[in-house]
Amino acid sequence: EPEVTQTPSHQVTQMGQEVILRCVPISNHLYFYWYRQILGQKVEFLVSFYNNEISEKSEIFDDQFSVERPDGSNFTLKIRSTKLEDSAMYFCASSGQGARNQPQHFGDGTRLSIL
Amino acid sequence: AQTVTQSQPEMSVQEAETVTLSCTYDTSESDYYLFWYKQPPSRQMILVIRQEAYKQQNATENRFSVNFQKAAKSFSLKISDSQLGDAAMYFCAYRSAIGNQFYFGTGTSLTVIP
Repeated sequence: EPEVTQTPSHQVTQMGQEVILRCVPISNHLYFYWYRQILGQKVEFLVSFYNNEISEKSEIFDDQFSVERPDGSNFTLKIRSTKLEDSAMYFCASSGQGARNQPQHFGDGTRLSIL
Repeated sequence: AQTVTQSQPEMSVQEAETVTLSCTYDTSESDYYLFWYKQPPSRQMILVIRQEAYKQQNATENRFSVNFQKAAKSFSLKISDSQLGDAAMYFCAYRSAIGNQFYFGTGTSLTVIP
């Protein structure tokens, strides 16, 4: 069964540095998402992306965040100047076009640790 | 914004027994979708079951079934004949009929005792 893949599985970065998290969604999916999960807390929505533009974003997704689909397969989340509170598990998800009851398929996540 | 509440941080069940995980949500919408996801340790979230709010019939998927009470805004998950592989974190999620994002609960950690 097709899967969403994320790299790296664990990223350690110095505070203030830029980090790029990568995702390869399921190939025929058209909607892409990023979520984050701070340790011990709930999964929180960051952003959704469709037709090469952001379709929805949360309050968390401020100017330090950006997303891009640089080619036909990758979907990236960039954090421009990382802060300690950005330490979390980041999940990419994708879904196909069609009925709203279609689930989002999640990747394994990237654990981001900011030092 | 919609909120999803899972009031049981941890649950345990004997192998082969039945367990029910609770979920409530708050919304003013009449049309929406509800999901249960399973997240094994260090693994991705996997869809367990889904329910459309406009359907009165409770969804079932093999050993998994839901008790959807729309008026009470409750969406519990029942796991029958629990197996060791059912041990995981279970997340309840809400999706509006309008927006794209999922709203997740804080999760319930399920332990299956051999």
